[in-house]
Amino acid sequence: DAGVTQSPTHLIKTRGQQVTLRCSPKSGHDTVSWYQQALGQGPQFIFQYYEEEERQRGNFPDRFSGHQFPNYSSELNVNALLLGDSALYLCASSLGQGGSEAFFGQGTRLTVV
Amino acid sequence: DQQVKQNSPSLSVQEGRISILNCDYTNSMFDYFLWYKKYPAEGPTFLISISSIKDKNEDGRFTVFLNKSAKHLSLHIVPSQPGDSAVYFCAAYDYKLSFGAGTTVTVRA
Repeated sequence: DAGVTQSPTHLIKTRGQQVTLRCSPKSGHDTVSWYQQALGQGPQFIFQYYEEEERQRGNFPDRFSGHQFPNYSSELNVNALLLGDSALYLCASSLGQGGSEAFFGQGTRLTVV
Repeated sequence: DQQVKQNSPSLSVQEGRISILNCDYTNSMFDYFLWYKKYPAEGPTFLISISSIKDKNEDGRFTVFLNKSAKHLSLHIVPSQPGDSAVYFCAAYDYKLSFGAGTTVTVRA
């Protein structure tokens, strides 16, 4: 049973560019949440997708957007990249919108130069 | 605003002894608490959880204690093993997970 998979594992982008990160949830899960983990900090909630709609959003600017597909996979898009967007981006899946026990992928390490 | 705090960034413990990790929270709307373990280059792995209606939950070597009046929870690992060396995150759930900054545990042989 495949767990949560994320791609790519690492990437480097230039300030001002746009990036798309991808996530496939654990089999049987229908809810995907995205988190940003800066160095030395805990993961910070970006947003959650359920039934192909953004259901909850954390304190992140509109440059951060996402999408969920009918197969429950999800994308995180970040526009106009800033140096401060450099972080580990984690995808977590759970069952149901109220699912509290989230399973995490290995993350995508984004470096903005 | 950091609603979940882990005030000890690191903990070193001898193999076989008890590891105690602490976590404080400020939001009384949290109804579920979790501990995650993270190795380098991996995502956080769920370890153990506790509902706000309970004060203790045990799973093998891991026990989580919740003191709602103090808004405090702790994770006990007994006995500590070298494979327990990792970063441990405390998390609390209302409609999303809010994480502490993590505690790096090092188990010495």
